[in-house]
Amino acid sequence: DAKTTQPPSMDCAEGRAANLPCNHSTISGNEYVYWYRQIHSQGPQYIIHGLKNNETNEMASLIITEDRKSSTLILPHATLRDTAVYYCIAGSNNQGGKLIFGQGTELSVKP
Amino acid sequence: GAGVSQSPSNKVTEKGKDVELRCDPISGHTALYWYRQRLGQGLEFLIYFQGNSAPDKSGLPSDRFSAERTGESVSTLTIQRTQQEDSAVYLCASSLVQGWSTEAFFGQGTRLTVV
Repeated sequence: DAKTTQPPSMDCAEGRAANLPCNHSTISGNEYVYWYRQIHSQGPQYIIHGLKNNETNEMASLIITEDRKSSTLILPHATLRDTAVYYCIAGSNNQGGKLIFGQGTELSVKP
Repeated sequence: GAGVSQSPSNKVTEKGKDVELRCDPISGHTALYWYRQRLGQGLEFLIYFQGNSAPDKSGLPSDRFSAERTGESVSTLTIQRTQQEDSAVYLCASSLVQGWSTEAFFGQGTRLTVV
């Protein structure tokens, strides 16, 4: 699986957009980018995933650079409930589908 | 049920005892995963199942750890002769199919404390 690099922590003001970066410079052509988050004392929660194109759902947007070496998860209007550790993961079906979690970014949304 | 269910939610056991942790995946999900999360740490992959088979057991930390899945449904993670370093939250996840094109749904975990 491609290794991902994320900042260990970030702050965001409530109501503002939270932009969480992820570097995956060694990603290969068949590897997806997945984002999960883990709110304190809960199991991880799926947010969004993509391969090449930008993606948007009810939770967030995923912007993948044209060379696919990095991506940004955007929470358009962060709330206090979005405070969590956010994990960016890259991998392909060749690795059997297991998700290898890194250390993630601890996002603190502040009032 | 609507989601992945794990039981028990909490387990305190004495060092040297065996424990069984149970995971009920979402109905119809063919892939099932087990992870371990020590306090303040990230998620550590243990094993995954495709149907009742476990193609990848590479994450099991020792031969004290084993897992099985039956009926392409419930899975049990067994830890024999528990040690204090086994204390962690054990998380189970399932997905509709194995692979990277589908999302995985996680349970709330079993918090294991070995005293």
